[in-house]
Amino acid sequence: DAGVIQSPRHEVTEMGQEVTLRCKPISGHDYLFWYRQTMMRGLELLIYFNNNVPIDDSGMPEDRFSAKMPNASFSTLKIQPSEPRDSAVYFCASTPGRTYNSPLHFGNGTRLTVT
Amino acid sequence: AQSVTQPDIHITVSEGASLELRCNYSYGATPYLFWYVQSPGQGLQLLLKYFSGDTLVQGIKGFEAEFKRSQSSFNLRKPSVHWSDAAEYFCAVGAGNTDKLIFGTGTRLQVFP
Repeated sequence: DAGVIQSPRHEVTEMGQEVTLRCKPISGHDYLFWYRQTMMRGLELLIYFNNNVPIDDSGMPEDRFSAKMPNASFSTLKIQPSEPRDSAVYFCASTPGRTYNSPLHFGNGTRLTVT
Repeated sequence: AQSVTQPDIHITVSEGASLELRCNYSYGATPYLFWYVQSPGQGLQLLLKYFSGDTLVQGIKGFEAEFKRSQSSFNLRKPSVHWSDAAEYFCAVGAGNTDKLIFGTGTRLQVFP
């Protein structure tokens, strides 16, 4: 199994540009999570999906952020317009079942730098 | 809502010494507790978990953790640290009525030879 695949690994963009981060979960995993990691705030849960349906998006910072999961094998996190404070490492994770019984499998992350 | 605190930002130990990383949680009912490890440039990997039963849980790489309800703690321990254990360690808490997993801010472990 290839694990959770995130692309790109690194993204550098200018303030005001649109950024799209991509994630392919492990096949058969019904849950998908997007986390953001910064030095100041640690790992923050942004949103998670179950069977492609968003369940909890209370962690999404503001309307500039949006996430979609059009099918079981693909999810995107979009930031439009991007700002320097969005600079962080964004992780995608998937799990086959409820999180109390199934470990999260993390991708290697996308390091976003907004200048 | 659940929350978790890792009071130590950075810990340094000598190789072969024992290790204890602290984790305190806040949740009204019995929580689900996890320890994850992150190596540089990589995602997180599960070390161990607790959700019921024996309060002392064993994990991978020789780690163990003990759930103490009276202290709201779930400290991670290892009797003898290896240089390869240098990484960042995250405690996380979950709750039965949601699949949200809330992570602490992490403890960076440095190991000296």
